Amino acid sequence: DSGVTQTPKHLITATGQRVTLRCSPRSGDLSVYWYQQSLDQGLQFLIQYYNGEERAKGNILERFSAQQFPDLHSELNLSSLELGDSALYFCASSARQTYQETQYFGPGTRLLVL
Amino acid sequence: ELKVEQNPLFLSMQEGKNYTIYCNYSTTSDRLYWYRQDPGKSLESLFVLLSNGAVKQEGRLMASLDTKARLSTLHITAAVHDLSATYFCAVLPMNTGNQFYFGTGTSLTVIP
Repeated sequence: DSGVTQTPKHLITATGQRVTLRCSPRSGDLSVYWYQQSLDQGLQFLIQYYNGEERAKGNILERFSAQQFPDLHSELNLSSLELGDSALYFCASSARQTYQETQYFGPGTRLLVL
Repeated sequence: ELKVEQNPLFLSMQEGKNYTIYCNYSTTSDRLYWYRQDPGKSLESLFVLLSNGAVKQEGRLMASLDTKARLSTLHITAAVHDLSATYFCAVLPMNTGNQFYFGTGTSLTVIP
């Protein structure tokens, strides 16, 4: 158990809908990262937050947005969902934002768009 | 376009044997990460390599980084069944903040 929690574990929805994925980092960790894993695209870095502020942006679609709240949990919002958005979404956390650090991954949310 | 290529993509090896997984990347970086993913599970961080010539070892796994060749290797010594998993490398290019780029993954199966 990494100490990172994600909810829900599974999510089934329809095209055009909007969903919110939630991530709680390890106690004391200030950085949260979001990743998408799909058969088509492999593993992709989406976005990073540090202590409530966006720090790095990867291959995140404009239909997707994220935020980190004062209690350090983070949410990834996916809107106008398409079939191709079906994937595993992982969040990870680390103590700070420096590249030297180990990231600890949550169990993931499996999203299926029908 | 930045590329991170792993080979082989699939590896089947017998217990007790040695093998190496290769990770080539197409950008300037001295920051290379290795992860393990068990089937249906999340990722686990294995190694963080932060300089040219860095070598780290944990149990039967040893990772190294050659920044001049833009190459990292993950060496498996005397494989055991418990090492069966998919292994990913990821590179963090210089001057791009924390935007990580992952390799395609190497699916390792260790046969008893």
